[in-house]
Amino acid sequence: GAVVSQHPSWVICKSGTSVKIECRSLDFQATTMFWYRQFPKQSLMLMATSNEGSKATYEQGVEKDKFLINHASLTLSTLTVTSAHPEDSSFYICSVTQGAGANVLTFGAGSRLTVL
Amino acid sequence: GENVEQHPSTLSVQEGDSAVIKCTYSDSASNYFPWYKQELGKRPQLIIDIRSNVGEKKDQRIAVTLNKTAKHFSLHITETQPEDSAVYFCAAREGTYKYIFGTGTRLKVLA
Repeated sequence: GAVVSQHPSWVICKSGTSVKIECRSLDFQATTMFWYRQFPKQSLMLMATSNEGSKATYEQGVEKDKFLINHASLTLSTLTVTSAHPEDSSFYICSVTQGAGANVLTFGAGSRLTVL
Repeated sequence: GENVEQHPSTLSVQEGDSAVIKCTYSDSASNYFPWYKQELGKRPQLIIDIRSNVGEKKDQRIAVTLNKTAKHFSLHITETQPEDSAVYFCAAREGTYKYIFGTGTRLKVLA
């Protein structure tokens, strides 16, 4: 299966600052990556679909200006949480599927964001 | 859109007993149903999956059953072990790429 690397694994920042999280596909070219958010003891909620070379597709209720997604290459997608606030504290996980119609969703190790 | 419900939210079983987790989905067009295991602070890992043209699939102590008519699918773990303790998520694939996850089941296997 796919190998997905996510960095950083955890980050603590002050309220009002921006935080960038990177997601890399190590062993294949991913035209599409997915960003999920998971609050403590809750399910995985899809935030947006990251498309290489084009704009991301955001799920309803997710602010695109708040969560900036850039997918500039076939192996890297970044999620930037802008002007972070304590309510943005969460576990952010990226994932990939291999090829059109592929089934297996493989996750990165996740990034735990704590906003003070 | 697709909606996935999962029950129970918590489950405790004695080591060696079986555990069953159930999920229902709403979109009859969904055709792929994976199950993920997530240990504390770690990424979800795929443990088993089933396509809509199959009624049952087994992999050693883990099995999944699918009832398309009723739109529900279940995860069965037999001979449970302490290392099976984790949170389990079911999911349904909506369209080509979008996965909708259940709310999770926290399984605790008591030694």
